[in-house]
Amino acid sequence: EPEVTQTPSHQVTQMGQEVILRCVPISNHLYFYWYRQILGQKVEFLVSFYNNEISEKSEIFDDQFSVERPDGSNFTLKIRSTKLEDSAMYFCASSGTSGRTYNEQFFGPGTRLTVL
Amino acid sequence: AQTVTQSQPEMSVQEAETVTLSCTYDTSESNYYLFWYKQPPSRQMILVIRQEAYKQQNATENRFSVNFQKAAKSFSLKISDSQLGDTAMYFCAYLYSNDYKLSFGAGTTVTVRA
Repeated sequence: EPEVTQTPSHQVTQMGQEVILRCVPISNHLYFYWYRQILGQKVEFLVSFYNNEISEKSEIFDDQFSVERPDGSNFTLKIRSTKLEDSAMYFCASSGTSGRTYNEQFFGPGTRLTVL
Repeated sequence: AQTVTQSQPEMSVQEAETVTLSCTYDTSESNYYLFWYKQPPSRQMILVIRQEAYKQQNATENRFSVNFQKAAKSFSLKISDSQLGDTAMYFCAYLYSNDYKLSFGAGTTVTVRA
């Protein structure tokens, strides 16, 4: 069964450094998303992406964040200058445009980001 | 903004028994989707079940079923014949049909006891 994959599974970085989290969505999906989950808290929406542009973003997704689809398969989240409070689990998700899975978001296994 | 409320932080159930998790949501929309996601200790988010708001029939997936009460804005999840592998955090989530972002509740930790 197709699945969303994410790399790395765990990233440790120093405060102020840039990080890039990578995702490979399900191949025929056209909508892509990033969510984050601070330990012990609820999952929060960051951004959605369709047709090579951001379709919606939350107030968390400020100028420090950016997303990109650099090629036909990868979808990345960049944090320009990490802060301690960026430490969280980051989930990528994708969804299709028709059929039974329409509006159903499939999540990757997550990347645990630790900012020291 | 839509709010999703899960009022039970933790639930414990004996293996083979049934447990019901509650979820309420706040919306002024009529077309939307509701989901239950399972997050085991690995922290992977796994879709358990979905419900379209326009459907009156409650969704069922094997041992998982929902009780969708649209007027009351309630969407509970019933896990029947609980298994040890059901131990996880369960999140209720809402998606407006013209929107992109899932709004999640705070989660309910379910522990299945042997």
